[in-house]
Amino acid sequence: DAKTTQPNSMESNEEEPVHLPCNHSTISGTDYIHWYRQLPSQGPEYVIHGLTSNVNNRMASLAIAEDRKSSTLILHRATLRDAAVYYCILRDVNSGNTPLVFGKGTRLSVIA
Amino acid sequence: GAVVSQHPSWVICKSGTSVKIECRSLDFQATTMFWYRQFPKQSLMLMATSNEGSKATYEQGVEKDKFLINHASLTLSTLTVTSAHPEDSSFYICSAGDVRADTQYFGPGTRLTVL
Repeated sequence: DAKTTQPNSMESNEEEPVHLPCNHSTISGTDYIHWYRQLPSQGPEYVIHGLTSNVNNRMASLAIAEDRKSSTLILHRATLRDAAVYYCILRDVNSGNTPLVFGKGTRLSVIA
Repeated sequence: GAVVSQHPSWVICKSGTSVKIECRSLDFQATTMFWYRQFPKQSLMLMATSNEGSKATYEQGVEKDKFLINHASLTLSTLTVTSAHPEDSSFYICSAGDVRADTQYFGPGTRLTVL
């Protein structure tokens, strides 16, 4: 899987939007951009993924740059329960049933 | 979404004993499951790939005789930490892939403390 770069940590106020960046300058044409998050003392959970177009779901939005070399996970209204480590992971469309490879991720703190 | 469970959620054991951790996929069949280990303030590190009906594949540096993996059915994989030592204390997490959704589902983790 291609490498991604994320800030080590970010801070947000409760009920404000949060934009979590991810750089992936070596992304290939068949790499999907996946986001997972890990709440304290829990296993990771899937957040969202996309290929080229922006994606929305009930948890978040994913904005993908036109050249696909970066993306941004958007939490529209941060809550205290969104405090977690967020991982941006590239996976080739042909990965099949292979394991996810985790980087260091971004630790998001949410302030009340 | 699909659910993966782990049991126990936490365990404390004495040095030299063995501990078994179960990982179950509750609403889908998983021919392959993955075992990760996570030390405090660090990211998840893949330990091994568990294959139903065949031998597990271990990552470099992971002792297969110490971390025994059995995947006897399409919904259950077990990790046994044999002759546990304090340095094996960690957070062990399993995952299973849903190929249809290209998504990995993770268990809630098992915190192992070896005294």
